[in-house]
Amino acid sequence: EDKVVQSPLSLVVHEGDTVTLNCSYEVTNFRSLLWYKQEKKAPTFLFMLTSSGIEKKSGRLSSILDKKELFSILNITATQTGDSAVYLCAVGRNTNAGKSTFGDGTTLTVKP
Amino acid sequence: ETGVTQTPRHLVMGMTNKKSLKCEQHLGHNAMYWYKQSAKKPLELMFVYSLEERVENNSVPSRFSPECPNSSHLFLHLHTLQPEDSALYLCASSQDYSGGASYEQYFGPGTRLTVT
Repeated sequence: EDKVVQSPLSLVVHEGDTVTLNCSYEVTNFRSLLWYKQEKKAPTFLFMLTSSGIEKKSGRLSSILDKKELFSILNITATQTGDSAVYLCAVGRNTNAGKSTFGDGTTLTVKP
Repeated sequence: ETGVTQTPRHLVMGMTNKKSLKCEQHLGHNAMYWYKQSAKKPLELMFVYSLEERVENNSVPSRFSPECPNSSHLFLHLHTLQPEDSALYLCASSQDYSGGASYEQYFGPGTRLTVT
């Protein structure tokens, strides 16, 4: 069965800290790994990764995928209180079979 | 505004009621999704429609019945729900679909459902 595991489940840091969120996966017929940020209701898209070793960057956020070791990391540098949210990792396949593949999420709290 | 709207935003219903949730996307996408998000649980995919055809149905009880009349609209018909069905129901759309969360999805604001 497909599996997506995020760690840590929760994290509390202070403004200015750098954080690294982890997502490991076991998925049949892997196609892509996606990161989302969920603040109050609707998750919003951050990154989609399909190739190993190519970093995707958007401002203070960056992410990279390792298809050999089956994991991805999401880095946030110089954290701000507005970064407080649940960060979700999801994996896509090339076939329809199997259940949804979202992880449990990492709850990040950034204190002033 | 994400281009995906959901109505109603809040719904309280009794166990014997019938109600429907509506989702509309204005992005020209080919795939639409229903998710359930309960407190302290991961996002659970319920249904996926691709080009108006249901392509995934993840063991969802029959008291939830989806309908996709066209590529822009998605409904979730609710009937004889249980209190444990109380949750946030999220609709999403993506350009295409090949399996799981394979394409970037745009989420609606959700409907907060309470079953009494």
